[in-house]
Amino acid sequence: EVQLVESGGGLVQPGGSLRLSCAVSGFTFRTYWMSWLRQSPGKGLEWVANIKQDGTEKNYLDSVKGRFTISRDNAKSSLYLQMDSLRVEDTAIYYCARDALTPPWGQGTLVTVSS
Amino acid sequence: DVVMSQSPLSLAVTLGQPASISCRSSQSLVHSDGSTYFNWFQQRPGQSPRRLIYKVSNRDSGVPDRFSGSGSGTDFTLKISRVEAEDVGVYYCMQGTHWPRTFGQGTKVEIK
Repeated sequence: EVQLVESGGGLVQPGGSLRLSCAVSGFTFRTYWMSWLRQSPGKGLEWVANIKQDGTEKNYLDSVKGRFTISRDNAKSSLYLQMDSLRVEDTAIYYCARDALTPPWGQGTLVTVSS
Repeated sequence: DVVMSQSPLSLAVTLGQPASISCRSSQSLVHSDGSTYFNWFQQRPGQSPRRLIYKVSNRDSGVPDRFSGSGSGTDFTLKISRVEAEDVGVYYCMQGTHWPRTFGQGTKVEIK
């Protein structure tokens, strides 16, 4: 059974940092591009970043470029999102998914940026 | 960025009746490789989004055949032939042809 489990969300002040993790099972993680997406009431669904199988290619949404870093550990079948210089507008549920958005996604982890 | 515009934004349907949602993109979604990377998603209350349709008209595994996708270029449609209670939720279109990939604003489907 394919499972993606996100963790690491929480409440953080503007300017702070968080590191999200996504633990994957049920498929051969190292053979897939992977993505992070987010969903907020104000902006709806947004594609945040994606990463190639070997980590050599990464793409970012303009609004997070230079602040967020996507990475992966194929030995641990895990995907990460380091989020620095967080802003109020980064508040959202963050999901990990295979890059083609093949079902299922994870359940998401809530990030709240507020003072 | 490519803007995805859905209509209607809200839809109340009688059980067993058909429903249709439209999505229009601000640019053609035909990729240089010839494919059209256009998807439909369903988000039931309290759940994560789930892809229903990929590349315009291909149903994902386990998706009932009452769901169908069609369209080309910049205009696309999701049809539900006979709405069931489990179809309640928000439906999103998404384009994967251009970076950044972008979603529509969502169409809320409820039972009348």
